[in-house]
Amino acid sequence: DVKVTQSSRYLVKRTGEKVFLECVQDMDHENMFWYRQDPGLGLRLIYFSYDVKMKEKGDIPEGYSVSREKKERFSLILESASTNQTSMYLCASSFSPGVSGNTIYFGEGSWLTVV
Amino acid sequence: RKEVEQDPGPFNVPEGATVAFNCTYSNSASQSFFWYRQDCRKEPKLLMSVYSSGNEDGRFTAQLNRASQYISLLIRDSKLSDSATYLCAVNTRNSGYALNFGKGTSLLVTP
Repeated sequence: DVKVTQSSRYLVKRTGEKVFLECVQDMDHENMFWYRQDPGLGLRLIYFSYDVKMKEKGDIPEGYSVSREKKERFSLILESASTNQTSMYLCASSFSPGVSGNTIYFGEGSWLTVV
Repeated sequence: RKEVEQDPGPFNVPEGATVAFNCTYSNSASQSFFWYRQDCRKEPKLLMSVYSSGNEDGRFTAQLNRASQYISLLIRDSKLSDSATYLCAVNTRNSGYALNFGKGTSLLVTP
């Protein structure tokens, strides 16, 4: 089974703190993603990466950055956390198209509260 | 206009009922289509891919209509355990390999 692991499940941070959300996948997937999910807004793509050290902005990249130093690890960074970044963050990974139809597999999610 | 749209529901149906969800997408270049299931406070999990010819997996049937740009999910003989939110997802070449998700349709199956 595909395993996408988000090490921090529940976090409470103060406004202005720097926050790191870590994600590791064990299936040698090329592509990794960070989404956030909010009630009434659905899943929104923050950033994605299709290779080590490569990154692309998604729909809502403002206030976030990412790091992909190794193929299996994709980190989301909130440089200065704000209350409007309180959300559920979902990491995901997939093979490239042509293999398994680029189905995306999600981690269990990280619930972040910024106070 | 949002790229992927779904009726949010909720759909409340009795056990054993048949229920259908629709999802429309705006980008005609969309290439891959999926239905995900999400339980409360859990991550989305792949329910099934949607193929051009339509496909079935047990009680679940997915259809794709490229001309009208919509996909559908039919659930027959609903079970209590089918209660969840169902998300449709679409991939387009110009979004890289990411999926665009609808906001989800909530289903509650009652005894």
